[in-house]
Amino acid sequence: GAVVSQHPSRVICKSGTSVKIECRSLDFQATTMFWYRQFPKQSLMLMATSNEGSKATYEQGVEKDKFLINHASLTLSTLTVTSAHPEDSSFYICSAHSPQAASTDTQYFGPGTRLTVL
Amino acid sequence: KQEVTQIPAALSVPEGENLVLNCSFTDSAIYNLQWFRQDPGKGLTSLLLIQSSQREQTSGRLNASLDKSSGRSTLYIAASQPGDSATYLCAVSDTGFQKLVFGTGTRLLVSP
Repeated sequence: GAVVSQHPSRVICKSGTSVKIECRSLDFQATTMFWYRQFPKQSLMLMATSNEGSKATYEQGVEKDKFLINHASLTLSTLTVTSAHPEDSSFYICSAHSPQAASTDTQYFGPGTRLTVL
Repeated sequence: KQEVTQIPAALSVPEGENLVLNCSFTDSAIYNLQWFRQDPGKGLTSLLLIQSSQREQTSGRLNASLDKSSGRSTLYIAASQPGDSATYLCAVSDTGFQKLVFGTGTRLLVSP
């Protein structure tokens, strides 16, 4: 089956620094990737939709200048949290859609990245 | 704006019991509904996907039903096992694979 990886799995950083999270589709090409954020004991909230070769589409309330998304290839999307603050501490999960999937409705989820900002 | 709610928020049962998890959504104009499993600190595993034209889907001990007109779905787990312990999330989509709106989740604990 399709596999999506994320790196790093955990990151701790100081307030004010920037952190980059990678999302890779390992055995398929993903034209569309999605970034979600999950606060403790809460559900996943879609942050943005990332399309290869074009600008990401951000959900209402998500600051595009703070959460930079780049989808430069069909297997890699990156999320950079710029000038991170403690309130950005969260679990970030990406998912990827494969045009070759048996079902056009299938998203494959990565294992998530736990970000802690001190 | 679509809102998805899951009841109960937490459930603890002894091994072997059959159980039902509930999911409700406010806008019945959905494209599909999916049930996911999330283990602590991990990503999501897709369990079942029901298209809006379908009434139910089954996979092993899992059965998911969908009543689109009333905005409800249930996930039935038969003969629960300790390995079923996880958080179960339902999510609806109104435009195919895009923009999944997730529910609040049900944390399930199955005791040996």
